[in-house]
Amino acid sequence: SQQGEEDPQALSIQEGENATMNCSYKTSINNLQWYRQNSGRGLVHLILIRSNEREKHSGRLRVTLDTSKKSSSLLITASRAADTASYFCATVPIGSSNTGKLIFGQGTTLQVKP
Amino acid sequence: NAGVMQNPRHLVRRRGQEARLRCSPMKGHSHVYWYRQLPEEGLKFMVYLQKENIIDESGMPKERFSAEFPKEGPSILRIQQVVRGDSAAYFCASSPPSGSSYEQYFGPGTRLTVT
Repeated sequence: SQQGEEDPQALSIQEGENATMNCSYKTSINNLQWYRQNSGRGLVHLILIRSNEREKHSGRLRVTLDTSKKSSSLLITASRAADTASYFCATVPIGSSNTGKLIFGQGTTLQVKP
Repeated sequence: NAGVMQNPRHLVRRRGQEARLRCSPMKGHSHVYWYRQLPEEGLKFMVYLQKENIIDESGMPKERFSAEFPKEGPSILRIQQVVRGDSAAYFCASSPPSGSSYEQYFGPGTRLTVT
């Protein structure tokens, strides 16, 4: 079955710096989503990018999608200590769009130092 | 509008006991998903249900695990005769009945510990 992979597995930066996380996947997708998970908590939906889109912005977040390389990146600009969390990419594979089940990657743990 | 609610938040069971996890979707949502997260890993899809129907259970272990979403009341994930390997965080997500079910709203999770 498809398994997304994020890199790096862990990232530590200073407040104010930008953080970039990458996600790769194996099969064709309908869309790709990014979620944030604070330690011990549930997931918060950040942004969704469809397979026919290449870039999307939401506040300090910028997501790119390259379907030819089967990869996506999440950029958080001007990071804050509150951005400290784990970030997961999740895909909806072609053929699963009628169920909407998400295939998650392993996640990137981001630490933003004040 | 209350979010997805899960209870209990923490559950401790001895090996061989049964675990029942409950999920109340957001108001107006009729699609429910269950995911399992092992320590230091991403979430793994288990099952997708609509009211009174199991739509996709391709991620459910063949034995001991079952799920339901009755016409009235919360969705239940039941694990019979729990083993240590069942220790994990179990997340429920819901989505609205119409349009795409792409965006899912997650509950806070139930952390199951099997001793």
